[in-house]
Amino acid sequence: ETGVTQTPRHLVMGMTNKKSLKCEQHLGHNAMYWYKQSAKKPLELMFVYNFKEQTENNSVPSRFSPECPNSSHLFLHLHTLQPEDSALYLCASSQEGHPNYGYTFGSGTRLTVV
Amino acid sequence: SQQGEEDPQALSIQEGENATMNCSYKTSINNLQWYRQNSGRGLVHLILIRSNEREKHSGRLRVTLDTSKKSSSLLITASRAADTASYFCATDVGDYKLSFGAGTTVTVRA
Repeated sequence: ETGVTQTPRHLVMGMTNKKSLKCEQHLGHNAMYWYKQSAKKPLELMFVYNFKEQTENNSVPSRFSPECPNSSHLFLHLHTLQPEDSALYLCASSQEGHPNYGYTFGSGTRLTVV
Repeated sequence: SQQGEEDPQALSIQEGENATMNCSYKTSINNLQWYRQNSGRGLVHLILIRSNEREKHSGRLRVTLDTSKKSSSLLITASRAADTASYFCATDVGDYKLSFGAGTTVTVRA
């Protein structure tokens, strides 16, 4: 257990469904991130939250909607997804400003859109 | 946008051998980090090297950084089967938003 917990681990959804991914960190970090990992491609940064405020939205389609109710929880709401959205979605947290900071990742949610 | 690019894409070595992988990047950085990912799992932070550092060690890991060539290398000495994983470099230009490469897949044969 890394201190960052993602649920569910696996998710299969139809293109008309609405679902949410959840991420919780128990490390007291002040920043949280969503990344998308597709096969053979670099990780893509989707959203960044610092002190609960969204500071980055990397041109992500509106069918992905993040929510950060407090500094420990991060959600990714999904609706009307496309098959190309199938990927591993990774949540991470970090302590911005710490000199030896590194990201702590959760185990990811494997999403399959059918 | 992608900053780091790892080379080679895949590496197969015998247990006990050393494994070396390289990372090249495009713009000036604040620091560079290496991560490991076991199959289908999250990434694990291995080591961070700052732009004013040239070499860093952590156990069997040795990282070098050459800012003039915009490149870094990760050396794993005396590899073990448990080192089988994908390794990623990530760059921070000073905004704490890491840009990752596509990774090097390392297979350690028994």
